[in-house]
Amino acid sequence: KAGVTQTPRYLIKTRGQQVTLSCSPISGHRSVSWYQQTPGQGLQFLFEYFSETQRNKGNFPGRFSGRQFSNSRSEMNVSTLELGDSALYLCASSLAAGRQETQYFGPGTRLLVL
Amino acid sequence: GNSVTQMEGPVTLSEEAFLTINCTYTATGYPSLFWYVQYPGEGLQLLLKATKADDKGSNKGFEATYRKETTSFHLEKGSVQVSDSAVYFCALSARDDKIIFGKGTRLHILP
Repeated sequence: KAGVTQTPRYLIKTRGQQVTLSCSPISGHRSVSWYQQTPGQGLQFLFEYFSETQRNKGNFPGRFSGRQFSNSRSEMNVSTLELGDSALYLCASSLAAGRQETQYFGPGTRLLVL
Repeated sequence: GNSVTQMEGPVTLSEEAFLTINCTYTATGYPSLFWYVQYPGEGLQLLLKATKADDKGSNKGFEATYRKETTSFHLEKGSVQVSDSAVYFCALSARDDKIIFGKGTRLHILP
């Protein structure tokens, strides 16, 4: 079974631009979560989608948004990029939502904002 | 709020040494607890988990026991290998179902 895939793997943008990252979950998984990983802040939860609905949201500004499609694929959008948005963005999928569910992570998209 | 605290690294050990990485948590209710591992250039992989007090998670020679009385979930391995070199993250998922990660502990194993 194919794992979680994320595209693109690397991205370079300039301040003020916007970016869209894509995540394809493991087949059959209906929950997709997004995380931001930086050396200073570590791993921080962005949001979780389940059955096309945002189920949970972390403490990030409204510039960060996401959505999930009927095939469970998810996209994350960051508008008006700032230097501090440079990070590794990780997507994780799970069969269902809930605290006991095991999340399977993709390799991440590394975003560099210049 | 909920939080996870794990020992800062890097931790450097010789091959076949005993490993302990400490993890303590603060959470309301009865969270699920996890250890994830991140190998260089890769995403996170679940190493083990425990969903209730006194549960022991184990995988690939690693173990961790959910200790409610000490709010801890320390990771242990009896004999580490060079291939265990990675970053280890302790995490919890509590009533709100959000996963909170610790800062991570980098482990170096010397041959």
